[in-house]
Amino acid sequence: DAKTTQPPSMDCAEGRAANLPCNHSTISGNEYVYWYRQIHSQGPQYIIHGLKNNETNEMASLIITEDRKSSTLILPHATLRDTAVYYCIAMSNTGKLIFGQGTTLQVKP
Amino acid sequence: GAVVSQHPSRVICKSGTSVKIECRSLDFQATTMFWYRQFPKKSLMLMATSNEGSKATYEQGVEKDKFLINHASLTLSTLTVTSAHPEDSSFYICSAMWENTEAFFGQGTRLTVV
Repeated sequence: DAKTTQPPSMDCAEGRAANLPCNHSTISGNEYVYWYRQIHSQGPQYIIHGLKNNETNEMASLIITEDRKSSTLILPHATLRDTAVYYCIAMSNTGKLIFGQGTTLQVKP
Repeated sequence: GAVVSQHPSRVICKSGTSVKIECRSLDFQATTMFWYRQFPKKSLMLMATSNEGSKATYEQGVEKDKFLINHASLTLSTLTVTSAHPEDSSFYICSAMWENTEAFFGQGTRLTVV
């Protein structure tokens, strides 16, 4: 499974959009990009995933570059409850999710 | 999203005893379940992958005789930590997946070995 690289931490003002970047330059054609988040002492929560096209759901939007070497998770209106560690994962057809260090997002009032 | 329930959420056991953790998919049939452990301020580390009715596949460095995994049905997998020692104290998390779609995670089990 391809390795992903994320900044270790980011801050965002409450009510503003949070844009979390992820590099996955070695991603292969059959690997999906998945995003999860983990709030302290809980199991990870699924956010969104995509292959090539941009995706949107009720939680977030996922923008994948045309060459698929990077992506951005967008939380359109961050709230204090969005403070968490966000993980970007490239998943192959094995189904395994290999977690990196993630980005700690701190939403501030 | 789908619901995955893990039990117990917290357990304290004496050194040398065994502890069983259950992971259930409540509203879907999980073809594959995964077990992770997480140390404080660290990321999740995949321990093993289990498919219903077959032996679990363990990641490199994970002792299969220490961490026994059973996946007897499409809705239940169990992890037994045998002869637990203080260094086994950790946060154990399961996830369940149906046919390589998104995986859903349990709420985790905090194991403390004293």
